This record gives sequence, C-alpha cells and structure tokens, in this order.
Amino acid sequence: GQNIDQPTEMTATEGAIVQINCTYQTSGFNGLFWYQQHAGEAPTFLSYNVLDGLEEKGRFSSFLSRSKGYSYLLLKELQMKDSASYLCAVRDNYGQNFVFGPGTRLSVLP
Amino acid sequence: GAGVSQTPSNKVTEKGKYVELRCDPISGHTALYWYRQSLGQGPEFLIYFQGTGAADDSGLPNDRFFAVRPEGSVSTLKIQRTERGDSAVYLCASSTIGQSTDTQYFGPGTRLTVL
Repeated sequence: GQNIDQPTEMTATEGAIVQINCTYQTSGFNGLFWYQQHAGEAPTFLSYNVLDGLEEKGRFSSFLSRSKGYSYLLLKELQMKDSASYLCAVRDNYGQNFVFGPGTRLSVLP
Repeated sequence: GAGVSQTPSNKVTEKGKYVELRCDPISGHTALYWYRQSLGQGPEFLIYFQGTGAADDSGLPNDRFFAVRPEGSVSTLKIQRTERGDSAVYLCASSTIGQSTDTQYFGPGTRLTVL
C-alpha cells in the first residue's frame, strides 16, 4: 500500500530552525518532493531528492534516506512568511502517480 | 501561458447536477495531473495524462468521474450526478516528462461546493 506520514502541526519562532519529518512506504520510489502551500493557494515546489543525502537550496534543505524510507525538510532563519503547510510527496513510478502526505502546518511566531 | 490556469475558480452546484472543471497547462508540458484536496489534507491523486491519453486513472473514485484531454493540452474533469462528498478543491498540475526533476506546477484550483 501507499502511506506517507508527517506531523500534523508544528510551531517555531522567527529566526529559528525547524525540521519537518516525512516517512513513507510506497510500492515504488522514483523521487521525493517537498511542496509549500499557503492557505487557499496552490502548492509550490521547494525541493527534490532521488538519491540519498542532503540537497541545499538557500534557507531550505531536504534530506533523503531511501533505506529508511525517511526524509526531512529543514528551514533555517525562519520568517513569518514561512507559515504554511509543507507537503511531502513520493513519485512511485516514473512520470506517474504522485502520492502526497497529509501535510504539516507550520506556524512561525514572532 | 505563464502558469497553469483553472476555471472556474469557484463552482457551487446542487446535488445531482453535472459539472465540468477546466485546466489549461503550461505550454509544452506533456504531462497533466488532476488531484482533489479536502480541507487539512494533502492532494489526492485522481488521474494522469501523458499527451492525449490517460496513462493512469486509478485514482478516480468511481464512474461518475471522467476526464479528457483531446488535443494534448487543455483538460476537462467531468463529474456526473454530483454528491455532497465531492466538495473539495480540485487541483491541476502539469510537468515536462524527461526533465531530471519532472517538477509538477500546480494551478490555483477550483473550489467545488455541492449543496
């Protein structure tokens, strides 16, 4: 079956660092994606991992361990505008079915 | 166009009616996806097109749902005999198969409310 787990909610302080975890069990694996979604808006792409290790892109980094079925998104120097839902998604076959997790709602407090 | 567009942005209908939701993908994107998102949940896959054909329609919940993409560009999601449980935001996304990341670009969605 297909299963992706993320914490439902997280809270952090402006300027801090937060790590959002994602674990997955899917029938196949061809890449893991992180998306940001502000309330009432469409998801926007943040990062992509297909090999084990860390991908860094500015204030955002994403890590993948395929053997553990585990990923995390790391957000540094948090800003108020980072308050949003963060969606973990796995592409289980090339170019086909993307399975999304339930999303983690992050609140950044002053 | 510059991004994925969807029309209408909002649709209110009565139980039992027929609705059509339209998606205009990014020009040149061969892959098109439809998702359904309920409040507080992640997007739920419905159907995927590669060109004009539905490559994977395993996410369509039942035979009331149907989607077409006759010319390999614009797609229409059709829902017959709508039910209150169909109320959700319907998201469309497109991507270019063959790119290393095949990132999906999402449209703003159509919020469907069935009364």
